[in-house]
Amino acid sequence: EAQVTQNPRYLITVTGKKLTVTCSQNMNHEYMSWYRQDPGLGLRQIYYSMNVEVTDKGDVPEGYKVSRKEKRNFPLILESPSPNQTSLYFCASRPRDRSTYEQYFGPGTRLTVT
Amino acid sequence: AQTVTQSQPEMSVQEAETVTLSCTYDTSESDYYLFWYKQPPSRQMILVIRQEAYKQQNATENRFSVNFQKAAKSFSLKISDSQLGDAAMYFCAYRLGITGANSKLTFGKGITLSVRP
Repeated sequence: EAQVTQNPRYLITVTGKKLTVTCSQNMNHEYMSWYRQDPGLGLRQIYYSMNVEVTDKGDVPEGYKVSRKEKRNFPLILESPSPNQTSLYFCASRPRDRSTYEQYFGPGTRLTVT
Repeated sequence: AQTVTQSQPEMSVQEAETVTLSCTYDTSESDYYLFWYKQPPSRQMILVIRQEAYKQQNATENRFSVNFQKAAKSFSLKISDSQLGDAAMYFCAYRLGITGANSKLTFGKGITLSVRP
């Protein structure tokens, strides 16, 4: 089954404790992206990757890091989480070909930073 | 920069009735796509319908259809014969149609739709 998986699905942590949210897709997609969803703001892009070893900032990159060492994986790293990073996080992927309209979303990760 | 505006935070519809969700966007580009996503309580993002800007014909998917007014930069979603399972948050989204560039989706704030039995 074609899918994007994220782990963990729920995470409660404390300020300053480094964490990683994993994202993996099994569709051989070149393009991957991270979004955060906050009430009243919709979803906003954090980082994206066009292919292995190619990453760039989205609209709200502060406080986040990413890496793309393998095509299927695109982890999101919070090296020193703060309460304003409490949010719902989505990973998404799609082929680079413009003829494919759809982005495939993971199930989301609910992060709470206390 | 492209923006997407959903001005209605909440709407309600009677089961079996029709409801229209509004969305406007701002862009100077000519090649782009528009989408409606549904987010039920499970939080999964589900693509409802998509529209290519170069197509004049409005997209339709079963009970879901859009009214795409390119000149007015308006993209509304009509849900016919509303069902209880349609209750969710709905997001309007925009994406540039450029190959090889950031395929970022720009989302509106979302609208919460409730369906009354």
